[in-house]
Amino acid sequence: AQTVTQSQPEMSVQEAETVTLSCTYDTSESDYYLFWYKQPPSRQMILVIRQEAYKQQNATENRFSVNFQKAAKSFSLKISDSQLGDAAMYFCAYRSGATNKLIFGTGTLLAVQP
Amino acid sequence: DSGVTQTPKHLITATGQRVTLRCSPRSGDLSVYWYQQSLDQGLQFLIQYYNGEERAKGNILERFSAQQFPDLHSELNLSSLELGDSALYFCASSAREGAITDTQYFGPGTRLTVL
Repeated sequence: AQTVTQSQPEMSVQEAETVTLSCTYDTSESDYYLFWYKQPPSRQMILVIRQEAYKQQNATENRFSVNFQKAAKSFSLKISDSQLGDAAMYFCAYRSGATNKLIFGTGTLLAVQP
Repeated sequence: DSGVTQTPKHLITATGQRVTLRCSPRSGDLSVYWYQQSLDQGLQFLIQYYNGEERAKGNILERFSAQQFPDLHSELNLSSLELGDSALYFCASSAREGAITDTQYFGPGTRLTVL
């Protein structure tokens, strides 16, 4: 069975600085997708970024980028120029290419200090 | 705003009762997913429907059931409620016809409190 591990329950970053959130996963599949979702205090789940396993190039969305290391089964999220609005719980998620269910990690609570 | 709507936003009920949570997917999306977020279990996949048919089941209790109607909205029915069923229930949708990607977009959730 696939698993997703986020080993950092909490992280803190100064406004305008860069922070990296870690995520590792375990799978024997070759076709899969990885996601980072953000959950602010409103509890809404917001898609931040996605990565297809077959793509070698790391995904980037504005200030958010990933470091996808397929052999190491690692999928970290880098947030550059952190803003107060980035404060939230961040969830890493895995989706098999064969099924559609998302498997989530336990989340990392990010605090942004002014 | 993801385009996925869920009602009600909050629900408070008593043990043993039955409730129905409703979800309307984004326009054109054929798949609906239900997830449960609780303090002890985290975010867990419950069930998926695609164009009215059940496609996948996760850790869904027998007391829970769901369906997707011809207009593609979905309902999650929770019966014989227990204190441990208190959680945030999310609906997500994906799979527009012809879409290459299948990203799931989440609704705002229904907060269920069982007293």
